Amino acid sequence: EAQVTQNPRYLITVTGKKLTVTCSQNMNHEYMSWYRQDPGLGLRQIYYSMNVEVTDKGDVPEGYKVSRKEKRNFPLILESPSPNQTSLYFCASSLRQGARSGANVLTFGAGSRLTVL
Amino acid sequence: AQRVTQPEKLLSVFKGAPVELKCNYSYSGSPELFWYVQYSRQRLQLLLRHISRESIKGFTADLNKGETSFHLKKPFAQEEDSAMYYCALSPLSSASKIIFGSGTRLSIRP
Repeated sequence: EAQVTQNPRYLITVTGKKLTVTCSQNMNHEYMSWYRQDPGLGLRQIYYSMNVEVTDKGDVPEGYKVSRKEKRNFPLILESPSPNQTSLYFCASSLRQGARSGANVLTFGAGSRLTVL
Repeated sequence: AQRVTQPEKLLSVFKGAPVELKCNYSYSGSPELFWYVQYSRQRLQLLLRHISRESIKGFTADLNKGETSFHLKKPFAQEEDSAMYYCALSPLSSASKIIFGSGTRLSIRP
């Protein structure tokens, strides 16, 4: 089944303890992206990647890192989590951006709910 | 600046009433516009694209290039339409990131 898989789905951690949220897609998509969703603020982009080894900041990149060493994986790293990073995180992918024919339609993961105490 | 604006954070209408979720965009090139929807406890999913010109679940959206708008409409709201709706823009002229609006929560009252 074509899908975007995020892990963990739920995580409670403490301030300063490094963590990684994994994202994997099995559709050979070039474009991948991370978002956080907060009440009243909607969906905000953290980082995105147009292809392997090509990443760029979104609107709220502070406190996050990403890497894209392989096409299928796009992990989100919180080096030193803080309570303001408590949120619901979504990973998404598309075949590519800048193209028609549905290639730019995003497929989303199920979300990862992170709580930082 | 490239931007997608959804002016309403929350829209509440009665079942059977018409619904219109507003979306305005600012983009200098040629964009494709989308509506994504997130039902309770489900992942975000595509609702419709302006290029396909289709009606999904009774919803339609017309791209108005003059007004730079892509409002989502449905003539008769149903309770199952209650969800979070996001308008999004994808550049067609260059490979660049997709831009989302801040979302509108639609609540249908019985």
